[in-house]
Amino acid sequence: GENVEQHPSTLSVQEGDSAVIKCTYSDSASNYFPWYKQELGKGPQLIIDIRSNVGEKKDQRIAVTLNKTAKHFSLHITETQPEDSAVYFCAATPNTGNQFYFGTGTSLTVIP
Amino acid sequence: GAVVSQHPSRVICKSGTSVKIECRSLDFQATTMFWYRQFPKQSLMLMATSNEGSKATYEQGVEKDKFLINHASLTLSTLTVTSAHPEDSSFYICSASGTRVQTQYFGPGTRLLVL
Repeated sequence: GENVEQHPSTLSVQEGDSAVIKCTYSDSASNYFPWYKQELGKGPQLIIDIRSNVGEKKDQRIAVTLNKTAKHFSLHITETQPEDSAVYFCAATPNTGNQFYFGTGTSLTVIP
Repeated sequence: GAVVSQHPSRVICKSGTSVKIECRSLDFQATTMFWYRQFPKQSLMLMATSNEGSKATYEQGVEKDKFLINHASLTLSTLTVTSAHPEDSSFYICSASGTRVQTQYFGPGTRLLVL
């Protein structure tokens, strides 16, 4: 089955700096890669996703890149703000709507 | 769009009682719903997958007789923790996906504390 690894487990950045979180996956059949943000005591919220036919996707300060050959994808947050502080999870799935395989999460702290 | 609600948000119960958690998709039809369990500072652990009108598929190690899942309609799934014990205390999160919603949208979670 699919195995998703996520790094780093914790990340601290100064407000205004960029943050990058990386994930690798093992199953070449995976074709959908969402990123979720989870605040303390809440459910994960989808923040951006990318499909395997696209190499990069951007939404304001958030971007995701995908390298299918190397089987890795990354979340990029620019101009970080304190409200970006949360746990971020990547996921991969070979078929959208079916089981997601989650990374272990990255706790991001943005220092004012 | 794509809003998923969960009820209750928090529940405290005595050991040996049963607790029901509801998961609703408010603005789309959820052909598939997922139930996760999350321990503090850990990732989401998939417990089971349920398709509307079918029996749930449980992950290895999850007791189907203890965690009863019902997905009777395209907008509602329930998880019942039967004969709850303190070790069942956790954060339970549902998610939903549909034929026109090609991702999983998560509910806000239910914090269960068994005394």
